[in-house]
Amino acid sequence: DSGVTQTPKHLITATGQRVTLRCSPRSGDLSVYWYQQSLDQGLQFLIQYYNGEERAKGNILERFSAQQFPDLHSELNLSSLELGDSALYFCASSSGWGTSGPRAYNEQFFGPGTRLTVL
Amino acid sequence: AQKITQTQPGMFVQEKEAVTLDCTYDTSDQSYGLFWYKQPSSGEMIFLIYQGSYDEQNATEGRYSLNFQKARKSANLVISASQLGDSAMYFCAMSALSGYNKLIFGAGTRLAVHP
Repeated sequence: DSGVTQTPKHLITATGQRVTLRCSPRSGDLSVYWYQQSLDQGLQFLIQYYNGEERAKGNILERFSAQQFPDLHSELNLSSLELGDSALYFCASSSGWGTSGPRAYNEQFFGPGTRLTVL
Repeated sequence: AQKITQTQPGMFVQEKEAVTLDCTYDTSDQSYGLFWYKQPSSGEMIFLIYQGSYDEQNATEGRYSLNFQKARKSANLVISASQLGDSAMYFCAMSALSGYNKLIFGAGTRLAVHP
């Protein structure tokens, strides 16, 4: 058990709908990362938050958004869903200090993932 | 930009033998980290081992070791004494300060351990 929790574990929805994926990082971790794993794109970084602030954006579609709340949990919102959005969505956390710190590239611990199926 | 290349889509090994999974990387950063993750069929991502770019010694974690050759930009994972439970997808990844520590993953290698 990595200590990172994600809900729900599975989500089945229809095209055009909106869903919210939730992530709780490990106790004490300030950084949260979201990744998408799909068959055609592999594992891709979507977005990072550090202590409530957005730090970096990857290949995240405009239909997707995220936020990190004061209690450090994070939510990834996916709207106007398309068939191609079907994927495994991972949240990861680390104690990283953003862009600096004694171990700026410390390991990230992954949650169990949310498997999204868009029909 | 950072890039990870894993050239072995699939590998198989006999139980109790050692196996090496290849990983090469490309980055212009001087400071970076290299990681290996295991993804069993259940889907979770399990952190295995980490190597910092300034670490002089190769990292080891139990049966896992990382063969780090900085000049060749390679970070191969060696699994000794393979077990049936090692059958999984293995991903090499890197992060760098310039990339805000996001992980860049390779395409993965599927390892099958045969009894």
